[in-house]
Amino acid sequence: DAGVTQSPTHLIKTRGQQVTLRCSPISGHKSVSWYQQVLGQGPQFIFQYYEKEERGRGNFPDRFSARQFPNYSSELNVNALLLGDSALYLCASSLTGGDTEAFFGQGTRLTVV
Amino acid sequence: EDQVTQSPEALRLQEGESSSLNCSYTVSGLRGLFWYRQDPGKGPEFLFTLYSAGEEKEKERLKATLTKKESFLHITAPKPEDSATYLCAVQASGGKDSNYQLIWGAGTKLIIKP
Repeated sequence: DAGVTQSPTHLIKTRGQQVTLRCSPISGHKSVSWYQQVLGQGPQFIFQYYEKEERGRGNFPDRFSARQFPNYSSELNVNALLLGDSALYLCASSLTGGDTEAFFGQGTRLTVV
Repeated sequence: EDQVTQSPEALRLQEGESSSLNCSYTVSGLRGLFWYRQDPGKGPEFLFTLYSAGEEKEKERLKATLTKKESFLHITAPKPEDSATYLCAVQASGGKDSNYQLIWGAGTKLIIKP
């Protein structure tokens, strides 16, 4: 079975641009969460979606938005990119979001220059 | 405020030298405590979930234990391939803002020398 897939794996953007990151969860999983991981730190929660509805949002500015599609895949959008947005963006897939096993993709490395 | 602290930040061991990693947590109500392994440039790999104090789980050379305030990841006779960053995360059980997010520590970077 395919695991969690994220695309692209690497991305370089200029300050002020917009970016869209994509995630396909494990088949049968209905919840997707997004995390930002800065080098040397643990992941920080951005969003959780379950059954296409936003279940939670972390302490991130409105420049960050996300959505989940009927096939449970998800997109994370970041507008007006700042240098500080450079990080590894991780997508986690789980059955319901409220269960206690989440499986991560390999991440998207975003570099803002 | 829910918080997770891991120690040490980094640990260098000789192959075969056993040791323990610590994860201290403060959470309003614990739904679960998770251990993950992360290799450089990759996403975290799930290892264990612990639910209640006194619980233990094992996988190969790793054993995770849980008390009401902390968790330990014991590594027995480690090999160079066990080198990675080990992350601890907690999931709170409730509250009006509960959304099942994972709250993470900064990780312990483990280096096993041959």
